[in-house]
Amino acid sequence: EIVMTQSPATLSVSPGERATLSCRASQSVSSNLAWYQQKPGQAPRLLIYGASTRATGIPARFSGSGSGTEFTLTISSLQSEDFAVYYCQQYNNWPPVTFGGGTKVEIK
Amino acid sequence: QITLKESGPTLVKPTQTLTLTCTFSGFSLSTSGVGVGWIRQPPGKALEWLALIYWDDDKRYSPSLKSRLTITKDTSKNQVVLTMTNMDPVDTATYYCAHRGQVGYCSSTSCLTVLYNWFDPWGQGTLVTVSS
Repeated sequence: EIVMTQSPATLSVSPGERATLSCRASQSVSSNLAWYQQKPGQAPRLLIYGASTRATGIPARFSGSGSGTEFTLTISSLQSEDFAVYYCQQYNNWPPVTFGGGTKVEIK
Repeated sequence: QITLKESGPTLVKPTQTLTLTCTFSGFSLSTSGVGVGWIRQPPGKALEWLALIYWDDDKRYSPSLKSRLTITKDTSKNQVVLTMTNMDPVDTATYYCAHRGQVGYCSSTSCLTVLYNWFDPWGQGTLVTVSS
């Protein structure tokens, strides 16, 4: 099973600042990585697939990069609605697909 | 527009079997490549994938839970059912169903839909508590 590790667990950022979230896979997942956003009491929402392709309707301030074992989600200028928990998910080697432990982006 | 909604009991007793139903619209589980998955999330914790069923009735399960899970589909009712046996308090979680991700690629002459094992969209989730 591929283990996905996200860091940091919590990221404190001021509105308008840049946020950089990391996701590491225990072995290569090529570019088969997705990112999700989850707000309290809501279901996860797909942001990025294929490591770097934004899903339909996702603002351009969200960008993904990386391949192999190291991935990054960048939010270029944090808006109030971006404060949430973010999860990465690999779908290269499965079953099982596996999720990271999440990064909470909170207001500084 | 694709939508999914989970239904089932909110409270089950330890050792009982949980049965959850995912009712969906906006797609057909008889279309080639389509799939529906189940994912759960204990309170305050991360997401855990449980199972996936494909349009051709092929099924995949989490290795750690495989002995306890069964996923089935009823194409005529647009439903997917997940059963989990021998429930324990550690199984307390919000259970989500979700549509297998798809992307359309078009050339000048034709379009192709490719499906992937990420999930979009998700249902709203249903909280299941396991307690005596």
